[in-house]
Amino acid sequence: GAGVSQSPSNKVTEKGKDVELRCDPISGHTALYWYRQSLGQGLEFLIYFQGNSAPDKSGLPSDRFSAERTGGSVSTLTIQRTQQEDSAVYLCASLRDPGGEQYFGPGTRLTVT
Amino acid sequence: AQSVTQLGSHVSVSEGALVLLRCNYSSSVPPYLFWYVQYPNQGLQLLLKYTTGATLVKGINGFEAEFKKSETSFHLTKPSAHMSDAAEYFCAVSLTTDSWGKLQFGAGTQVVVTP
Repeated sequence: GAGVSQSPSNKVTEKGKDVELRCDPISGHTALYWYRQSLGQGLEFLIYFQGNSAPDKSGLPSDRFSAERTGGSVSTLTIQRTQQEDSAVYLCASLRDPGGEQYFGPGTRLTVT
Repeated sequence: AQSVTQLGSHVSVSEGALVLLRCNYSSSVPPYLFWYVQYPNQGLQLLLKYTTGATLVKGINGFEAEFKKSETSFHLTKPSAHMSDAAEYFCAVSLTTDSWGKLQFGAGTQVVVTP
């Protein structure tokens, strides 16, 4: 595909359930970023991958949040025991090289009921 | 530490009028600066960026921004607004090449264009 894709586009889950959000970056982009966009907090950095390793996890809000990346490509963000405050749009972005343009996906809208 | 402040959460502008969106940053080192636009239900799209060199940066869709170090500002302008400019605009900074993609965003400015 030409751009960053994310799935699902919308997810409604009950409080306490686990969810997995998927990001497919642009082919050849070695860096991958997860952000969260919420009404109260705006756009926040969550985690950064370079290849399959995550040198910066500083934005993950709690240990209920984790992420992995396999094959230097697809990444999955997992939220365990979801809470209502996890409701937000989760955005993924990928980058080929430092200094280049960071391309964002359309996001996954997560609603925790 | 760094922070980004966008003045005005909502801006209304008439079609054909000047668009001016204000962004101020605080940083202990020279930052890299970005403006992104977000249309409804879409991801963010880069409008323009400042890294080094010329302080007046031209971007897509007729937008430009000027880096003013003395004022710690990076305001976004467009001489003549179009209806298609209605969107939310975000100013962002990153500090180093190593953390190039780790952006800190402002709160965003929603632009409404009236006929």
